[in-house]
Amino acid sequence: DSGVTQTPKHLITATGQRVTLRCSPRSGDLSVYWYQQSLDQGLQFLIQYYNGEERAKGNILERFSAQQFPDLHSELNLSSLELGDSALYFCASSVSGRGVVDTQYFGPGTRLTVL
Amino acid sequence: AQSVTQPDIHITVSEGASLELRCNYSYGATPYLFWYVQSPGQGLQLLLKYFSGDTLVQGIKGFEAEFKRSQSSFNLRKPSVHWSDAAEYFCAVGLNFGNEKLTFGTGTRLTIIP
Repeated sequence: DSGVTQTPKHLITATGQRVTLRCSPRSGDLSVYWYQQSLDQGLQFLIQYYNGEERAKGNILERFSAQQFPDLHSELNLSSLELGDSALYFCASSVSGRGVVDTQYFGPGTRLTVL
Repeated sequence: AQSVTQPDIHITVSEGASLELRCNYSYGATPYLFWYVQSPGQGLQLLLKYFSGDTLVQGIKGFEAEFKRSQSSFNLRKPSVHWSDAAEYFCAVGLNFGNEKLTFGTGTRLTIIP
């Protein structure tokens, strides 16, 4: 158990819909990262938040957005869903996030299926 | 752009045999290096990491990895595999240049045969 929790574990929805994935980091960690794992793209970095502020963006679609709340939990919002958005979405957390690479601990993931 | 290569998509090893999984990276600076393991239906578990210092690092579950700067490699090894080692293994790289994201290789799926 990494100490990072993600809900829900599974999500099945239809094209065009909007979903919210939730992540709680390890106690004491200030950075939250979101990654997408799909068969064709592998593991791709989406976005990072540090202490409530967006820190870095990766290959994140405009239909996707995220935020980190004062209690440091984070939510990833996916809208206008397409079949290709079906993937495993991981959240990770680390202590640092101000220009220093640190160990990232991953949650169990949320498997999103878009029908 | 930073890249990580895991040249072996799938490896099959007999139980009790030794294992080496390859990982190469292409960056100008020395990156921060990680190996993660993903069991079926599970998240990513950290096996070991290299930040600096001794180039041979020990991890959990009897794994070790060696950083070789001259070869831009960070290969994962285990002297004797167990059936429970069957999983997908990912090499990842991080750089202190603007953000702390990890770039992952495509993974190597390990199958263990009796």
